[in-house]
Amino acid sequence: AQKVTQAQTEISVVEKEDVTLDCVYETRDTTYYLFWYKQPPSGELVFLIRRNSFDEQNEISGRYSWNFQKSTSSFNFTITASQVVDSAVYFCALSGFITGNQFYFGTGTSLTVIP
Amino acid sequence: DAGITQSPRHKVTETGTPVTLRCHQTENHRYMYWYRQDPGHGLRLIHYSYGVKDTDKGEVSDGYSVSRSKTEDFLLTLESATSSQTSVYFCAISESAQSSYEQYFGPGTRLTVT
Repeated sequence: AQKVTQAQTEISVVEKEDVTLDCVYETRDTTYYLFWYKQPPSGELVFLIRRNSFDEQNEISGRYSWNFQKSTSSFNFTITASQVVDSAVYFCALSGFITGNQFYFGTGTSLTVIP
Repeated sequence: DAGITQSPRHKVTETGTPVTLRCHQTENHRYMYWYRQDPGHGLRLIHYSYGVKDTDKGEVSDGYSVSRSKTEDFLLTLESATSSQTSVYFCAISESAQSSYEQYFGPGTRLTVT
């Protein structure tokens, strides 16, 4: 079965703090892809990153970084020096070779950055 | 930004009435999807389409039907709306069926069934 767990329902941090959003997944696929999406208060869903199961190299994009560890089935997302504009709901998603284009989303983590 | 629009953006309807939501894309992508978003559930796939007149069911398809007569349009119909179908509905598109391709989402439709 394909499953994504985001155990952190809500997180609040003070501006400029670092914050890590956890994502744990389950899959029987040997080839799979993981994604993060951001949903700001305006409601749209914004694609942030895609990672394939063969590439465990961490990725950094500005203040955002992603840590993929197959050994723990985790794909965590860290925001460094958080800003108020980072306040949003963040979703982790999984798609697999067997299930093709079907995405499985976690329940999301609501991040509030307090000025 | 991917060219995806949804209409209407907001709708209030009564229990038992049929409702149709429209998704329109200008990207000429073959694959289109309908999701619903509910608190505590994230996004769940309702139906998807892999070409004109080619559709398939997702995780939560009961009570919904879809149609795709043109590449750019994907319609979601609630045959007889119920209060449990109160939700935010998102359309998404993808360039390919391969699992490596990200999906791009429309702005969403907030549906309230009273």
